[in-house]
Amino acid sequence: AQSVTQLGSHVSVSEGALVLLRCNYSSSVPPYLFWYVQYPNQGLQLLLKYTTGATLVKGINGFEAEFKKSETSFHLTKPSAHMSDAAEYFCAVITLPGTYKYIFGTGTRLKVLA
Amino acid sequence: KAGVTQTPRYLIKTRGQQVTLSCSPISGHRSVSWYQQTPGQGLQFLFEYFSETQRNKGNFPGRFSGRQFSNSRSEMNVSTLELGDSALYLCASSLSSGTNTGELFFGEGSRLTVL
Repeated sequence: AQSVTQLGSHVSVSEGALVLLRCNYSSSVPPYLFWYVQYPNQGLQLLLKYTTGATLVKGINGFEAEFKKSETSFHLTKPSAHMSDAAEYFCAVITLPGTYKYIFGTGTRLKVLA
Repeated sequence: KAGVTQTPRYLIKTRGQQVTLSCSPISGHRSVSWYQQTPGQGLQFLFEYFSETQRNKGNFPGRFSGRQFSNSRSEMNVSTLELGDSALYLCASSLSSGTNTGELFFGEGSRLTVL
């Protein structure tokens, strides 16, 4: 069965520092991978997605993620954190396009320190 | 283009009662999914509807049910509420076509508190 593991339920970084949020997945078939962000009292918003093709994908707000099949990872990075990046981030996988039956990780709450 | 609309945003119920939550998807989106979000469990998939048919179902008891109408609007119902049902219930809509890659568009959620 497919699963998603996010390492670190809470991550703190200084403003201007590198953001690295870790995500590992388990899937017996090629996955579609997603990162979503949730700001307080809001729903989730898509940051970026990997389906096929280029393994380094760029998303909104300066975020990017790299699909590494050998490591079954899809870590999210941003070179320089901004205060507005403080939110909860969710990694997710679907293994059968069109089903919309996502498997979400438990989330990582990012705190940005001034 | 209007986003996904969920009503009500907040509600308080007591154990044993039932609740109905509503979701209006983005115009043109025919797939509607429901998720339960709790601090301990994260997001758990409830079910997904497409063209008034339940296409996928998560591992929730039968007290959780849903439906979709011909205009793609969806409702979910929880009967005989338990304290553990307190959660944020998120609705998400999506295009459903052969070229779609599964992006979900979420509403802001309905926060249910069971006392």
